[in-house]
Amino acid sequence: ELKVEQNPLFLSMQEGKNYTIYCNYSTTSDRLYWYRQDPGKSLESLFVLLSNGAVKQEGRLMASLDTKARLSTLHITAAVHDLSATYFCAVDMRSEKLVFGKGTKLTVNP
Amino acid sequence: DAMVIQNPRYQVTQFGKPVTLSCSQTLNHNVMYWYQQKSSQAPKLLFHYYDKDFNNEADTPDNFQSRRPNTSFCFLDIRSPGLGDAAMYLCATSRDYQETQYFGPGTRLLVL
Repeated sequence: ELKVEQNPLFLSMQEGKNYTIYCNYSTTSDRLYWYRQDPGKSLESLFVLLSNGAVKQEGRLMASLDTKARLSTLHITAAVHDLSATYFCAVDMRSEKLVFGKGTKLTVNP
Repeated sequence: DAMVIQNPRYQVTQFGKPVTLSCSQTLNHNVMYWYQQKSSQAPKLLFHYYDKDFNNEADTPDNFQSRRPNTSFCFLDIRSPGLGDAAMYLCATSRDYQETQYFGPGTRLLVL
């Protein structure tokens, strides 16, 4: 059974600081997604990472994938308040469905 | 804009009173998914359709049923809602398996 673990589950950081969210998964997969969810809202697709070594960047967020280590990272650069949200990674099981991590609730303080 | 639409956005029902949630999509995607998300938890897949082929998750309660009358629409029926069914219900679509899922805005269900 595929397991997906995110760390940390809660992250409080100051504006302007950098931090990384980690997503580990337990079995082979070469497709990983990052989603953002604002409170009371739905999930917004941020990145899809399709191969080992893939790196994608959008604004202050950068995601990477290491399929050999079964690890993806979401790096936040110079955080701003607008980035406050819950971030989920989701791993494709090479079948019909995704397995989601528990989510990382990010709070960026002024 | 192509999108995934869910109605209603908020639904209040009574314990045991059947309720139907709807999802429509203009993306012409083959796959439609229903997820249940409780507070501070990850979305949990209930079932999905590939075209008209229905796939039920093993741990989805029998109380939950679904219909997909055509490519654009999919319905979630909760036959006898219990207090534990209060949650956000998310519909998602993807063009095919192993492609990005696009989520609708969700329906928040409250059971009194």
